[in-house]
Amino acid sequence: GAGVSQSPSNKVTEKGKDVELRCDPISGHTALYWYRQSLGQGLEFLIYFQGNSAPDKSGLPSDRFSAERTGGSVSTLTIQRTQQEDSAVYLCASSQGARPSTDTQYFGPGTRLTVL
Amino acid sequence: AQTVTQSQPEMSVQEAETVTLSCTYDTSENNYYLFWYKQPPSRQMILVIRQEAYKQQNATENRFSVNFQKAAKSFSLKISDSQLGDTAMYFCAFMKRGNSGYALNFGKGTSLLVTP
Repeated sequence: GAGVSQSPSNKVTEKGKDVELRCDPISGHTALYWYRQSLGQGLEFLIYFQGNSAPDKSGLPSDRFSAERTGGSVSTLTIQRTQQEDSAVYLCASSQGARPSTDTQYFGPGTRLTVL
Repeated sequence: AQTVTQSQPEMSVQEAETVTLSCTYDTSENNYYLFWYKQPPSRQMILVIRQEAYKQQNATENRFSVNFQKAAKSFSLKISDSQLGDTAMYFCAFMKRGNSGYALNFGKGTSLLVTP
């Protein structure tokens, strides 16, 4: 079946603009994760959804970052008033459930965000 | 917080040879999970192998095996009969249950180059 998809693949924006990054998880997967991969910070966890709920938003770097998930499926990560330090690859992952012994996190190809 | 350390930023191995990638972690938890993920140039993170901390037996997946030393908090990955397709970034990751579901905490990665 189809894997995790993300769009756009690449996004170039100007400092101060808002951007939306989209993640389509594998059908039926209830858990969804956003990570950020940057040269300076490596891979960082941003936020986790179980269904449509995000029990922990503490990984979001600032209040300019927000995320939502609708219908237990598609998720959107929004960055407002982008800054150059937001430049990174944003990765989305989904898993069938919340059992780490069996529920593998499957990653999408990521969105490369460049803020000029 | 858990920290994951990969002390080898880059490694090189000849095709058909064996290579070992190092990973250490720091945690006060007793129940957790460890993973190795591979990220080729396509950016897609792919699960290579997983290890449950409560299992003493080292995990094995075909040419990939781990040496899990719980007391030493060490989790190295051995790749046998290296193939050109093994060229990629390899990330060691720690996972435990928390408010963030089962979010992964990654090391900085090791870039592996397999040469003919």
